[in-house]
Amino acid sequence: GAVVSQHPSRVICKSGTSVKIECRSLDFQATTMFWYRQFPKQSLMLMATSNEGSKATYEQGVEKDKFLINHASLTLSTLTVTSAHPEDSSFYICSAGRTPRGGTEAFFGQGTRLTVV
Amino acid sequence: DAKTTQPNSMESNEEEPVHLPCNHSTISGTDYIHWYRQLPSQGPEYVIHGLTSNVNNRMASLAIAEDRKSSTLILHRATLRDAAVYYCILRGRDDKIIFGKGTRLHILP
Repeated sequence: GAVVSQHPSRVICKSGTSVKIECRSLDFQATTMFWYRQFPKQSLMLMATSNEGSKATYEQGVEKDKFLINHASLTLSTLTVTSAHPEDSSFYICSAGRTPRGGTEAFFGQGTRLTVV
Repeated sequence: DAKTTQPNSMESNEEEPVHLPCNHSTISGTDYIHWYRQLPSQGPEYVIHGLTSNVNNRMASLAIAEDRKSSTLILHRATLRDAAVYYCILRGRDDKIIFGKGTRLHILP
């Protein structure tokens, strides 16, 4: 069964509103989680690294004030898309893994389809 | 930037073996070679990973070149459910998974 769960799987919001996406590790503790987004027919693009108890690390070109990440516990990271606009419509995916990470598999959430109207 | 190179697409007949190649000439000694696949509108799914030796699991086999600069994912008997985008990824100490464009595998019935 899924060991990383994302919620919601699909959300439609109005332009200018904020949307929160949750990512949970179900049977292990994850000090680090990763957030990706994927546009149609493109590959996944890493947005940020979510670190439990500290600030997230954002990839170049990703606006930290627009994509707020909170990793308040070892099993939950949230991504909030603030003041969403139609160009933020995308497929958002989180990932987490058990330690040691390089030598173990990464688990991915089911993804969240965000549509901003 | 992705550190691996894969063909954009491949095609195979159902019930035949499939060999998906990947080049990673800049691999470092601590990088693991991971393979994931993604079906439409789903998150990626783990397939297999290895460091130096060939690996087998219930899904696939991973053949790693002796110099580790290339690897091949082997699906022993492809089914229609194996049609997906397959990503070959190097995973190192920073734990990040950077996706390249992957190989879109088409399975012909």
